[in-house]
Amino acid sequence: DAKTTQPPSMDCAEGRAANLPCNHSTISGNEYVYWYRQIHSQGPQYIIHGLKNNETNEMASLIITEDRKSSTLILPHATLRDTAVYYCIVRGASLQGAQKLVFGQGTRLTINP
Amino acid sequence: DAGVTQSPTHLIKTRGQQVTLRCSPISGHKSVSWYQQVLGQGPQFIFQYYEKEERGRGNFPDRFSARQFPNYSSELNVNALLLGDSALYLCASSLAVFTTALKQFFGPGTRLTVL
Repeated sequence: DAKTTQPPSMDCAEGRAANLPCNHSTISGNEYVYWYRQIHSQGPQYIIHGLKNNETNEMASLIITEDRKSSTLILPHATLRDTAVYYCIVRGASLQGAQKLVFGQGTRLTINP
Repeated sequence: DAGVTQSPTHLIKTRGQQVTLRCSPISGHKSVSWYQQVLGQGPQFIFQYYEKEERGRGNFPDRFSARQFPNYSSELNVNALLLGDSALYLCASSLAVFTTALKQFFGPGTRLTVL
């Protein structure tokens, strides 16, 4: 699984778009980019995932660069409830062995009123 | 629909004791994974079970064991507890393992404190 690099912390004003970057320069062709978040003392929550194309769902948008070496998670209108640690994870679509998530340190996002 | 449930919520044990943590996956999910999260760190993979068989094990000692039951619920057992086992233990369920989408749904966790 490719290694990811995220800034340790970020701040964003309530109501503005929060853009969380992730570098994954060693990503290989069959590896997906996943985003999870963890609100204090709760279990991680799946947000979105993608392979090549940009993806959007009710929670967020995922923008993956053309060379796939980096991506950005966008929360379009951040609220105080979006304050959490956000994890970017790269994982191959392997059908062998355990389907495990490898969490790094993540980005601690603080939404300010 | 109910999400992943775990019990107990909190647990306090002393060194050397044994503990059993329980997890019920989302209805219809056949795979259960266990993670350990030490304070200040991201979750670390311990085990995955699918259809009652172990699919993978993380880098944890043999003191850690798990099993999955016919109803797909799971138990994590830790023997001879050490202070360093104090952590939030998370259970995650997913539909299956043969899928390209690694969407795992996590429970609220069990907070284990070892004194």
